[in-house]
Amino acid sequence: DIVMTQTPLSLSVAIGQSASISCKSSQSLKYSDGKTYLNWVFQSPGQSPKRLIYQVSKLDSGVPDRFSGTGSETDFTLKISRVEAEDLGVYYCCQGSYSPYTFGAGTKLELK
Amino acid sequence: QVQLKESGPGLVQPSQTLSLTCTVSGFSLTSYNVHWVRQPPGKGLEWMEKLTYNGDTSYNSALKSRLSISRDTSKNQVFLKMNSLQTDDTGTYYCTRDWEIWGQGVMVTVSS
Repeated sequence: DIVMTQTPLSLSVAIGQSASISCKSSQSLKYSDGKTYLNWVFQSPGQSPKRLIYQVSKLDSGVPDRFSGTGSETDFTLKISRVEAEDLGVYYCCQGSYSPYTFGAGTKLELK
Repeated sequence: QVQLKESGPGLVQPSQTLSLTCTVSGFSLTSYNVHWVRQPPGKGLEWMEKLTYNGDTSYNSALKSRLSISRDTSKNQVFLKMNSLQTDDTGTYYCTRDWEIWGQGVMVTVSS
């Protein structure tokens, strides 16, 4: 199974600051169709998860452009510029390239 | 409007079988994949199983021997069955359409 390693597991930021989360996979996530199925999923307290980014860098509808995703093969990054209060919660990377699909452990974004 | 809604028993006894239903609306099960994902209390997300638009299935390696997924396209429903439940199967169970759209989740407690 592909292991997804997220760092850091916890991140304290002040409102208006930027935040960056790393996700590394134990093998390349580039699929045979040439696409890389790496998602970023966000979960605020008590809520269902919500996908923010798919295929490494494509923003889901309604996701503010303060969010961006970069990376390739095994190294991926989620960046949030100008963190807002509504961004506080847990972020997971999730690979959908190869079954069995796997999630990272999650990064908790907290207020400094 | 695309929606998924999980339903099932809130309490299951140890060693028994869990049966959950994901009822979808706003899209066809023959056009999209549906996954089940679970989350133990206070912990991260764990992918469980997938049913593709054309009826193929795939499973979490560690849970494979206990899981099954099926559907009734006429009722727009996807079913999860997991046998030999233990207390560490307690958690919230979500269905999701390709990580993009998530249900509200259903809490399952395994206890005698």
